[in-house]
Amino acid sequence: DTGVSQDPRHKITKRGQNVTFRCDPISEHNRLYWYRQTLGQGPEFLTYFQNEAQLEKSRLLSDRFSAERPKGSFSTLEIQRTEQGDSAMYLCASSLSQGSHEQYFGPGTRLTVT
Amino acid sequence: QQQVKQSPQSLIVQKGGISIINCAYENTAFDYFPWYQQFPGKGPALLIAIRPDVSEKKEGRFTISFNKSAKQFSLHIMDSQPGDSATYFCAALDRGKSTFGDGTTLTVKP
Repeated sequence: DTGVSQDPRHKITKRGQNVTFRCDPISEHNRLYWYRQTLGQGPEFLTYFQNEAQLEKSRLLSDRFSAERPKGSFSTLEIQRTEQGDSAMYLCASSLSQGSHEQYFGPGTRLTVT
Repeated sequence: QQQVKQSPQSLIVQKGGISIINCAYENTAFDYFPWYQQFPGKGPALLIAIRPDVSEKKEGRFTISFNKSAKQFSLHIMDSQPGDSATYFCAALDRGKSTFGDGTTLTVKP
């Protein structure tokens, strides 16, 4: 385990469908973050977990978005009733929670909603 | 308002030159300032980071300069190489939550 992994790497879906993405953090990291990045922009914070607890959600995260980290290891991000505006790169990052703020990013999941 | 302003939007330098990217912030609660490098289709990769009690940090060809009173920080890439061509993002963290700049696309010409 050398880094953060995300699955799938690419997802094409039709408007109105539900999609789910998975993130596996670095094994000893207890913080896990989700970001969204659109073309030409920096990543935007969506939500983060400390172990299994979801500590903060961005106002960007509508009710159609939900994230879980049930056992404090991997996390899933689900988008219900996808819209074309949801098309973006969804990035996951992880970090240790004490004494370090270094966040390590995964390769991202590119979502295209047609 | 948590915001980080990054400039320039794009930068072209000659091989061997110095690349300088600047960021400014407003929120004094930010307590950690990393820089990331991102290649097309990849996630951001952490390059170097600094805490606000330090004015400069150097790692290899990369240096961060930090001015707490001006609420500004910058990335200097010495001896820039074509392989450094990428998009660079500054970020600022408040209790672990990152706010990113909009990125600088660096092109290093051989």
